[in-house]
Amino acid sequence: EIVLTQSPGTLSLSPGERATLSCRASQSVSSSYLAWYQQKPGQAPRLLIYGASSRATGIPDRFSGSGSGTDFTLTISRLEPEDFAVYYCQQYGSSPTFGQGTKVEIK
Amino acid sequence: QVQLQESGPGLVKPSETLSLTCTVSGYSISSGYYWGWIRQPPGKGLEWIGSIYHSGSTYYNPSLKSRVTISVDTSKNQFSLKLSSVTAADTAVYYCARTTMVRGVIYFFGYWGQGTLVTVSS
Repeated sequence: EIVLTQSPGTLSLSPGERATLSCRASQSVSSSYLAWYQQKPGQAPRLLIYGASSRATGIPDRFSGSGSGTDFTLTISRLEPEDFAVYYCQQYGSSPTFGQGTKVEIK
Repeated sequence: QVQLQESGPGLVKPSETLSLTCTVSGYSISSGYYWGWIRQPPGKGLEWIGSIYHSGSTYYNPSLKSRVTISVDTSKNQFSLKLSSVTAADTAVYYCARTTMVRGVIYFFGYWGQGTLVTVSS
């Protein structure tokens, strides 16, 4: 089973700042088989990025994904108030797994 | 617009079977995609439970496989989860979600229900 480790656990930033979230896999993830989700309190996760770098429908272009192999990054270019949330990465597979999450909080 | 809605008891006794149903609207289950269940213990991360195709083909998380059954009712546009022999560790918010799957590989979960909290307690 591939284990995904997200860092940092919490990111304290101000609106307008750039957020860089990391997701590291315990072994190489095939063909950029990685997705990112955003979850706000009391809500279901929302798909942001699939295939490591493709934005899901309706996702603003301030969200971007990159990486391959074992190291992946979610970047939010300029934080909007509605972007403060928890973010999860997820690897594709016959038994998909999620990272433990990174909380982006207001500084 | 695809919408999913979970329903079922919010309280289950230890050793009993948890049963939930997901009703899909805005899309026919028979048209394609897999349909799955994911859970999230309070304050914790996400765990995939399993996914099903309209034909009845299923994929389960190996760690839960012995206790999980997912079924589909295309006439009602619903799919269901049964988790047997529950313990307090099964207390979680349970989500249903549309699953993109290709050649045996689960890709991602594009649409989610709002989730339902199931508490295991006597």
